[in-house]
Amino acid sequence: EVQLVESGGGLVHPGRSLRLSCAASGFTFDDYAMHWVRQTPGKGLEWVSGIDWNSGTKGYAESMQGRFTISRDNAKNSLYLQMNSLTLDDTALYYCSKGPFRGWTHNYFDSWGQGTLVTVSS
Amino acid sequence: EIVLTQSPATLSLSPGERATLSCRASHSVSDYLAWYQQKPGQAPRLLIFDASNRATGIPARFSGSGSGTDFTLTISSLEPEDFAVYYCQQRNNWPLSFGGGTKVEIK
Repeated sequence: EVQLVESGGGLVHPGRSLRLSCAASGFTFDDYAMHWVRQTPGKGLEWVSGIDWNSGTKGYAESMQGRFTISRDNAKNSLYLQMNSLTLDDTALYYCSKGPFRGWTHNYFDSWGQGTLVTVSS
Repeated sequence: EIVLTQSPATLSLSPGERATLSCRASHSVSDYLAWYQQKPGQAPRLLIFDASNRATGIPARFSGSGSGTDFTLTISSLEPEDFAVYYCQQRNNWPLSFGGGTKVEIK
């Protein structure tokens, strides 16, 4: 059974940084692309970033480009999201999700974690 | 960016009734459209991928159809556990995008 467990969320001031982690199990981690998707009451579900199976290519939503960095450690079956220069608009529940292919660019999301809440507030 | 518009926003039905949910894309997404179900306090769950393919373990009462810009999710006979919010998502164009959701509530 696929399990994705996020951690690292919390309360952070605007302009500060936070690093999210996702521990994966139940599948061959290094065979699949992985993603971060966030959810807010106001904007709904929003794709944040994706990374291919061997970290060769990565992609970001336009509003996160230059501020967020996705990475993975296949030896540790783990996915990460480094978030810098956080703004109030980054407040959301952040989900780790698995893609069905090795490449990240044209994915749906076949498994999801339970999410980690990031609150940006002064 | 592909904008996905879901309708109606809320669907009020009784158990046993048929539910028909719509997702319209601002430009063609071929058949690269997925549907998800989300219950309160839970993560989304993949129901349908590539317009009409049921994901593993999804009951046959869920079916998807459509291509290009117009898609439909049909629940043939609502079970109590089907009352939830449903989202569509396209994978044809970057960035990947989601619709705003349709809430299926008990009438």
